[in-house]
Amino acid sequence: ETGVTQSPTHLIKTRGQQVTLRCSSQSGHNTVSWYQQALGQGPQFIFQYYREEENGRGNFPPRFSGLQFPNYSSELNVNALELDDSALYLCASSRDSYYEQYFGPGTRLTVT
Amino acid sequence: KQEVTQIPAALSVPEGENLVLNCSFTDSAIYNLQWFRQDPGKGLTSLLLIQSSQREQTSGRLNASLDKSSGRSTLYIAASQPGDSATYLCAVRPQSNTDKLIFGTGTRLQVFP
Repeated sequence: ETGVTQSPTHLIKTRGQQVTLRCSSQSGHNTVSWYQQALGQGPQFIFQYYREEENGRGNFPPRFSGLQFPNYSSELNVNALELDDSALYLCASSRDSYYEQYFGPGTRLTVT
Repeated sequence: KQEVTQIPAALSVPEGENLVLNCSFTDSAIYNLQWFRQDPGKGLTSLLLIQSSQREQTSGRLNASLDKSSGRSTLYIAASQPGDSATYLCAVRPQSNTDKLIFGTGTRLQVFP
């Protein structure tokens, strides 16, 4: 059984640019949640996708958006990047929206 | 608003010691609580999940307890090893918003030989 995978591993972008991060969910999981983890902090919930629909959202501005595809993989898009967007972005999948979440290895985004 | 606090922020101990990591949360209306391990720059590995109706969970040298009424959980690590060195994160899933986990800032543990 393949676990949660994320791509790319590392990414460097310039302020003002746009970025897309990808997540493949674990087999049998229909829910993907995204988190942002700044250095030295705990992860902060961005949003969750359940069966291709946004199912909940944290305190992040609209320039953070997402998609979930029919195979339940997901993308996180961030527009107009700011320096404070530099963080580790974690994706987690689960069998349903309230089941245990299994985390991927993360994507390290650096904004210069 | 649910807030999760972990104490201590960092801990350095010699190999073989038994450890207690603490997690407190402000709202007792939780669906479950989970403990994770995170190695530097890596993703999260789930260690133990305790449902709101449970008092504790055990896995190998790890034991986690939950006292929902007082808003506390502890992670007990027996006979610590250098391989246990990592950051340990506690997260609660609110009853009102079961879509998300709310994390503490973690306890950074170093076990030296």
